[in-house]
Amino acid sequence: GNSVTQMEGPVTLSEEAFLTINCTYTATGYPSLFWYVQYPGEGLQLLLKATKADDKGSNKGFEATYRKETTSFHLEKGSVQVSDSAVYFCALIIQGAQKLVFGQGTRLTINP
Amino acid sequence: DSGVTQTPKHLITATGQRVTLRCSPRSGDLSVYWYQQSLDQGLQFLIQYYNGEERAKGNILERFSAQQFPDLHSELNLSSLELGDSALYFCASSPGATGSPLHFGNGTRLTVT
Repeated sequence: GNSVTQMEGPVTLSEEAFLTINCTYTATGYPSLFWYVQYPGEGLQLLLKATKADDKGSNKGFEATYRKETTSFHLEKGSVQVSDSAVYFCALIIQGAQKLVFGQGTRLTINP
Repeated sequence: DSGVTQTPKHLITATGQRVTLRCSPRSGDLSVYWYQQSLDQGLQFLIQYYNGEERAKGNILERFSAQQFPDLHSELNLSSLELGDSALYFCASSPGATGSPLHFGNGTRLTVT
């Protein structure tokens, strides 16, 4: 089946630190890959996406590269801010499928 | 603001009761998805409706049901509630039948006591 595995949280970093949140996937077809972010008290928001191998999605200083050879889509940011504190979800969807499959989420806390 | 509206924001009820959660999708979106977010199960897909018809079913219990009305708003009905049903219930919408891109509402927090 299709599944997404994220690194377990919580992750706690200091402001301006480098961030990596690992995400690997298993898919029966050709997935598109996504990162969603959930700020406290809010719903999930699309952060970035990549639809084919070697694509790089980027937004708000975050980046993730679709690596087919390692079935990964790790989220990175060079210098995190307190405002980046949130829960991050990696997700995939198979072409033509009806639903996103989410990872379990990684809670990120950034301390000033 | 995602454009997806969910009501109520919070709901507290007792075991055995029945509740209805409501969702209005983004303007122009034809698909509505329901997700359950709990601490131990993460984000679980429940069900999808597209233009009034059920399109896909996930881990939805028989005690739960949903529908999408002609004006495209959707309702999720939860009955014979159990303590374990306490969770955040999210609605999301997308323009077409496939789940991309998804726009989420802010959720309804259900507490069953």
